[in-house]
Amino acid sequence: QVQLQESGPGLVKPSGTLSLTCAVSGGSISSSNWWSWVRQPPGKGLEWIGEIYHSGSTNYNPSLKSRVTISVDKSKNQFSLKLSSVTAADTAVYYCAREIGYCSSTSCYAGFDYWGQGTLVTVSS
Amino acid sequence: SSELTQDPAVSVALGQTVRITCQGDSLRSYYASWYQQKPGQAPVLVIYGKNNRPSGIPDRFSGSSSGNTASLTITGAQAEDEADYYCNSRDSSGNHRVVFGGGTKLTVL
Repeated sequence: QVQLQESGPGLVKPSGTLSLTCAVSGGSISSSNWWSWVRQPPGKGLEWIGEIYHSGSTNYNPSLKSRVTISVDKSKNQFSLKLSSVTAADTAVYYCAREIGYCSSTSCYAGFDYWGQGTLVTVSS
Repeated sequence: SSELTQDPAVSVALGQTVRITCQGDSLRSYYASWYQQKPGQAPVLVIYGKNNRPSGIPDRFSGSSSGNTASLTITGAQAEDEADYYCNSRDSSGNHRVVFGGGTKLTVL
């Protein structure tokens, strides 16, 4: 059973950098999966931030791309998120998640089968 | 703004059948995945692929797709199914972006 656990500061000052780590247990981060960060502002919907493969390849949400860096540490079986120049609009519960996916000749699917429990990050002075 | 469109709220009488829909161009290439989220909890995957349920998900949950619309059907809704439901897929335009619908709040009456 794969488990993901987010960790990091729960309070970040405006204009600062939000840093979170997701520790993966019960499975290898070097498996054939992408690993994502997803956030959810209070009372709102889910927003995908970005993803990383164990090779270090990344994809980011275009709306956040200029401020986001996702990295992987295979030796520690974990991946990390950095979001710079934060404002109150970045206040949210941040989740890490494992993606599953498959493409046939005619169609594809992609989804997140394992999620961390989420961590609330508040941006405030 | 989300590029997958969901109705904000849907209600269903206890024991009846309800369909929650998700529309978007990416769904012509990708099957939607569906998540259930209860207050204070992380989302839980309930449907992925053509109509696959992860282990532990009741068989009253099913998925279907036609054109640019994906549907999650709950047959015989239970009180514990009251939750927010989100669809997601990948953007099919080639930019590798993951997209979520805005969510549907399901009320079981």
